[in-house]
Amino acid sequence: QKEVEQNSGPLSVPEGAIASLNCTYSDRGSQSFFWYRQYSGKSPELIMFIYSNGDKEDGRFTAQLNKASQYVSLLIRDSQPSDSATYLCAVSDSSASKIIFGSGTRLSIRP
Amino acid sequence: DADVTQTPRNRITKTGKRIMLECSQTKGHDRMYWYRQDPGLGLRLIYYSFDVKDINKGEISDGYSVSRQAQAKFSLSLESAIPNQTALYFCATSDLKDRAGETQYFGPGTRLLVL
Repeated sequence: QKEVEQNSGPLSVPEGAIASLNCTYSDRGSQSFFWYRQYSGKSPELIMFIYSNGDKEDGRFTAQLNKASQYVSLLIRDSQPSDSATYLCAVSDSSASKIIFGSGTRLSIRP
Repeated sequence: DADVTQTPRNRITKTGKRIMLECSQTKGHDRMYWYRQDPGLGLRLIYYSFDVKDINKGEISDGYSVSRQAQAKFSLSLESAIPNQTALYFCATSDLKDRAGETQYFGPGTRLLVL
């Protein structure tokens, strides 16, 4: 069973600090990696995707990928209360036919 | 208007009843998916379809069936609903021609309660 693992949290971070979310995956053939944000009762929305080893930055968000360690992370700088949500890590399977989601990390930004 | 719509948004049904959840999209995507979400378990894939003639089982297809009536429509049926099918159901679409490849776009979800 191919797996995507995340710490369920909750992760509590003070406003203005950096939030760090982590994810590991089991399928070495995976090529595409995604971070989705899901507010309570709402549908997931894509915030970042990354294909290559290293860092990818988009505004306050940075995705980091290390394929050798099978590790993906998401950094949120200058955390805001509106960042409080569940963050889902998703990984394409090696056939690229579907995506496997982790169970999500609940992030809470405290004022 | 939303690109991916789901009907109904909420549904209460009784054990043993057959129900259908519907998904429509205006994004022009070929690929469509059905997921269920349970607390603490993330999103689990039920069925997916790459075009009208292609239907594939996901990790939890038992007790469910699907129909791809057109490129834009993908329906999920519960043949005989049971209480452990109580969950939040999401439809999603994707298009490999997108720059982000397998990025999935989700509908608003259907909250199903089986009594």
